[in-house]
Formats: sequence, structure tokens, C-alpha cells
Amino acid sequence: DQQVKQNSPSLSVQEGRISILNCDYTNSMFDYFLWYKKYPAEGPTFLISISSIKDKNEDGRFTVFLNKSAKHLSLHIVPSQPGDSAVYFCAASNRDDKIIFGKGTRLHILP
Amino acid sequence: NAGVMQNPRHLVRRRGQEARLRCSPMKGHSHVYWYRQLPEEGLKFMVYLQKENIIDESGMPKERFSAEFPKEGPSILRIQQVVRGDSAAYFCASSSSQGRNQPQHFGDGTRLSIL
Repeated sequence: DQQVKQNSPSLSVQEGRISILNCDYTNSMFDYFLWYKKYPAEGPTFLISISSIKDKNEDGRFTVFLNKSAKHLSLHIVPSQPGDSAVYFCAASNRDDKIIFGKGTRLHILP
Repeated sequence: NAGVMQNPRHLVRRRGQEARLRCSPMKGHSHVYWYRQLPEEGLKFMVYLQKENIIDESGMPKERFSAEFPKEGPSILRIQQVVRGDSAAYFCASSSSQGRNQPQHFGDGTRLSIL
């Protein structure tokens, strides 16, 4: 049972444009959401998080939006840069702090 | 590099052998988490440990898998009598405490291949 779903396995975006990565979840008990970035042969790196009491969190070029009624969140990267090419994992946790990961979306930034 | 250190980076075992994966958390971190990533899948939680204690092992297979985090030394994930299906990337993460203000920091993983 996939509680965190990233339905797009891959996404290609032109350099300088906005990248939008989407994530859906099914467990209404999740109250904390995270995005991790992963390069090949490396471990995931924490990017940004958001609590369920907020609907937006911004950190530089990265913004995460949360729509609780739709159980949907998205990560916006603007402007997209070549170094943003990586796999992005959406993750969620509830009060037990166990993190549940999605399968990831591979982002390609095109020159 | 004061990050989470995992070794070996690559481990090859034959079916039936034992695999030992080591994880040294970041300095000052006493919480360790192990995850497994199968090909084309996300990371799946296996076990959460603090020094000398297993806090949550709900993601660990009931047989052949064990984990420890002794008072001294790294955390060890041990897989006995390995089978082909154990081939995966195993990631360790650490945090300084439990809770949302302390994101987990990941090591670069151990890639386990079973022949």
C-alpha cells in the first residue's frame, strides 16, 4: 500500500524555467512533509519541509506547497539549474516520526 | 567529512553467507535509522535505534535481519543467510534527537549484491 505517491517517474524542464514536482498521500494522519534530493551513488539530502499547519514554505529557489484537503503537495524550483538534475523524494511522517518515502521523480534540467 | 559514514560502499555476497553493514552517525547524533531501497523504489524504513536500544523495528523482516547500536562503535545491520532478494541499497541516517526540527542526515549507502 503506497501511502506516499509520486506519479511522475521523470520530468524534463528547460534550464531557467520552473520545475514542479508533485506528490499525493493517502494517510490523513501525516502531519509533516519533507522533500529530499538524491544524486546517483549518494545518499538523500534534506531539501525542505513543511508542517501541516502551514500551506507554504519557501527557502531560496525552493518552495513547497501543501493542500491538505486534496492530500497533495508540490515542490517548485525556480529558476531551474543544471545542478538540480537529480531524483527527488517526497516523504511524510506522523507523530511517531517514522518517515514514509515516495518512489521518487527523476528531474532532468535541459540546457 | 563529519557526515554519516557507511561502509563498505559495495558488498558482494553469495547466497547463504552473512552480510554486515556498518554505519557511523554524525558526531553528536545518537539516533540511527536504517532504510532499504530496492531498484526503482523509494526508501523503506527498517529500524530506528538509539544507543543500546531498538526503538522501532517494525520495518525489519522477522527473520535473518538484526540491527544493533552499541554504546561504543558504529551501528551494525546484519543479514544472515542472504538471498537474492536482499540485493538492494541500504541507507543509514542519523539525527541528534527525535522530532521534526532535526532532519535525518543520510550516508551514501551500501550497495549489497547477492550472487
